[in-house]
Parts: sequence; structure tokens; C-alpha cells
Amino acid sequence: DVKVTQSSRYLVKRTGEKVFLECVQDMDHENMFWYRQDPGLGLRLIYFSYDVKMKEKGDIPEGYSVSREKKERFSLILESASTNQTSMYLCASRSGLAGVRETQYFGPGTRLLVL
Amino acid sequence: AQSVTQLGSHVSVSEGALVLLRCNYSSSVPPYLFWYVQYPNQGLQLLLKYTSAATLVKGINGFEAEFKKSETSFHLTKPSAHMSDAAEYFCAVSSNTGNQFYFGTGTSLTVIP
Repeated sequence: DVKVTQSSRYLVKRTGEKVFLECVQDMDHENMFWYRQDPGLGLRLIYFSYDVKMKEKGDIPEGYSVSREKKERFSLILESASTNQTSMYLCASRSGLAGVRETQYFGPGTRLLVL
Repeated sequence: AQSVTQLGSHVSVSEGALVLLRCNYSSSVPPYLFWYVQYPNQGLQLLLKYTSAATLVKGINGFEAEFKKSETSFHLTKPSAHMSDAAEYFCAVSSNTGNQFYFGTGTSLTVIP
């Protein structure tokens, strides 16, 4: 069974704080993704990584950065948290071997509140 | 760019009734399509996926979806709703490179006892 874990289920931070969201997968997947989920907007891709130290911007990268130093771990960083970054953050991973048909596996999500 | 549209952000059905959740895709090439379910305060779980092997795809929990190229649709159905089916459902399409999934805005399913 694929397991994707996220470091926190709920997080409360203050405006201007630096926030780290951690994601770990145990299936040796090449690809990892960070999404944010907002009511009525579905899931929007922030960043993805297709290999260690490799990253690409998704649809809404502004205000975020990422780090992938090890294959199993993908971190999302909010350099200076703002209230409009209050959201549910979902991490996903996927094997890169089978290409476009492969499923993305999701973590349980981190609900972030920025005050 | 590829995209999916889910018609109806909220759907209510009676327990035991047919569930029909609609998804239409926009793609210039044969797409790979997915349905995910999200229970409250949880991540997304794969229900089923279409990868061109068969147009009628069966998934978990009694759900199935039919790929109709002529209608560019991939609607999700279940013959008889159960209370435990109450959740948010997302349709997604995979990009040509597979690096990105494009998600619909979701449909919240309510099951009335």
C-alpha cells in the first residue's frame, strides 16, 4: 500500500511567519506534487518535482517555494505567510515509470490557518 | 490545455437511488481520466481511472464510469446510493506528459436517509 504522510493535520500560524509543510512517501516514487484546495476552486497545483533537486512551477507558485533533497521527501515553504494562504494543502506522489496513466496518491492534507 | 468540468457542485440523492456525477473533459488527444473521492478531513482516494483499455471502468465501492468520446464525458455512476457515499468527488485528467493532473472543482454528494 502506498503511504503518503504529511507532517501536520492542522497548523495555525501568524502573518509573516515562515511555514514549512513536510511530505513523505514510502513507495520510491519519482514524482511529487503540492496542491492547495479551496472551496469552489478544486485542487490547484503549486509545484511539482520529478526528481531529487528538480522542481517545476505549477499554476499558482507565487508566495511558495519547495525543496526536494531526498527522493522520499518534498517540502513546501511559505516564506512569509499571508492570510490568503489559509487553505488545505495536499501532497501527492506518483511513480514516473508508467507515464501518463499512473495514479497520483494523496496524503491526508494539512489545514493551514494564517492569522 | 486540458481541463475537466464537473456539472453541479452539489448533488443530493436518496439512499438507494442512482448516483450520477457528471464530468466533461476538454482534450485534443485521447485523455487519461480519473475519479477521486474525498471524505471529510481526509486526502483524496482513487475511485477509478480510464486509460483506454475499456470504455466502461469499474472502481471501488460499487462505482463505475463510462468514457464516451463522442460526448467528451466520463460520468460517474452507482446504482444504489449508500449513506457512506456522502463525500466530495473530483474528476481529473492527466496531461500528455503526465506531470500534471487537472482537477474539476468537485461535486459534493449528500445522501438523504
